[in-house]
Amino acid sequence: AQSVTQLDSQVPVFEEAPVELRCNYSSSVSVYLFWYVQYPNQGLQLLLKYLSGSTLVESINGFEAEFNKSQTSFHLRKPSVHISDTAEYFCAVRDAFPGTYKYIFGTGTRLKVLA
Amino acid sequence: DVKVTQSSRYLVKRTGEKVFLECVQDMDHENMFWYRQDPGLGLRLIYFSYDVKMKEKGDIPEGYSVSREKKERFSLILESASTNQTSMYLCAGRGGVGDYGYTFGSGTRLTVV
Repeated sequence: AQSVTQLDSQVPVFEEAPVELRCNYSSSVSVYLFWYVQYPNQGLQLLLKYLSGSTLVESINGFEAEFNKSQTSFHLRKPSVHISDTAEYFCAVRDAFPGTYKYIFGTGTRLKVLA
Repeated sequence: DVKVTQSSRYLVKRTGEKVFLECVQDMDHENMFWYRQDPGLGLRLIYFSYDVKMKEKGDIPEGYSVSREKKERFSLILESASTNQTSMYLCAGRGGVGDYGYTFGSGTRLTVV
């Protein structure tokens, strides 16, 4: 069965520093990959997704993630973080087979940006 | 964009009560999901529905049931609430054509006392 690992439960980083949030998934079958962000007391919002094509995907607020099939990873990066990026980030994967409905989520990484 | 609305942001219920959590989506999407979110455990799937009156158990269905009588509404039912069901509950709908991501509601924080 598919599983998702986010090794870092918390990542503190100073404002304007770069950050990488790690995500690995277990199965090498064809997959769709997602990053979601959750701000305090809110639901999850889709940050970016990989479905096919270019392995580097970007969000509108400066985050990017790279799909690495050989390492079964989909790490999230940002070259310079802001205080407003403080949130919890969840990686998710879904097998790319027709009729597959379930998404598997990681346990989340809490990003805290320090002034 | 799909909009998913959960009727309550905060609920406090007593042990043994029957609890209904309501979720409504405003697009014509078949797939809807209920998750619970707990610190350190991430999101765990309780039930999902891929069409009206169709439901499937997720990873932690014990103590819960669901109802999907209309496409736009997916209800989560706690038959007899217990303190270990205190959690954040998140409803999601699958996105539009060509969009394989979920749209989540704002969540319902349920406390069972």
